Amino acid sequence: AQTVTQSQPEMSVQEAETVTLSCTYDTSESDYYLFWYKQPPSRQMILVIRQEAYKQQNATENRFSVNFQKAAKSFSLKISDSQLGDAAMYFCAYRSVMDSNYQLIWGAGTKLIIKP
Amino acid sequence: DAGITQSPRHKVTETGTPVTLRCHQTENHRYMYWYRQDPGHGLRLIHYSYGVKDTDKGEVSDGYSVSRSKTEDFLLTLESATSSQTSVYFCATCGGGGLNTEAFFGQGTRLTVV
Repeated sequence: AQTVTQSQPEMSVQEAETVTLSCTYDTSESDYYLFWYKQPPSRQMILVIRQEAYKQQNATENRFSVNFQKAAKSFSLKISDSQLGDAAMYFCAYRSVMDSNYQLIWGAGTKLIIKP
Repeated sequence: DAGITQSPRHKVTETGTPVTLRCHQTENHRYMYWYRQDPGHGLRLIHYSYGVKDTDKGEVSDGYSVSRSKTEDFLLTLESATSSQTSVYFCATCGGGGLNTEAFFGQGTRLTVV
């Protein structure tokens, strides 16, 4: 069974600086999908970025980018120019291509604190 | 934003009482999920549905049941609530299609069992 590990329960960064959140996963599959979701204090879950394992190019969405290292089974999220609105819980999630029910397997989350 | 509404948003109940949480979607999504969120555990899947009257268990299904009589509604029932079921519950939906498709979430229900 696949597992997702986020080893940093909490991270803090100064406003306007860059922070990287770590995510590792365990799978025997060669093709899969990875996601980062953000959960601000409002509790709403928001998709930040997604990556397809067969694509070597790292996904980017504005200030958010990933460092996808397939051999190392690592999928870290880099947030550039951190803003106060980035303060949230961040969850990494995995989806198997073998799962016809589109289930997601979740990490435990990392709480990101932005210091003004 | 996807139209996913959970009700109630907050509930306090006593141990041993039955509780039903409702998830309503207006997106006509085929797949629906119930998760619980606890500190240090992320989101854990309770039950999911892949169509009307088609449901299956997730990793933490003990003590929970679900029903889906219409595409838009997915109910989660705690048959006899226990303190260990105090949690935040999330409903999510997915329309299928490409496997990179995102899941959409409701606002969550905070349930306290006393």
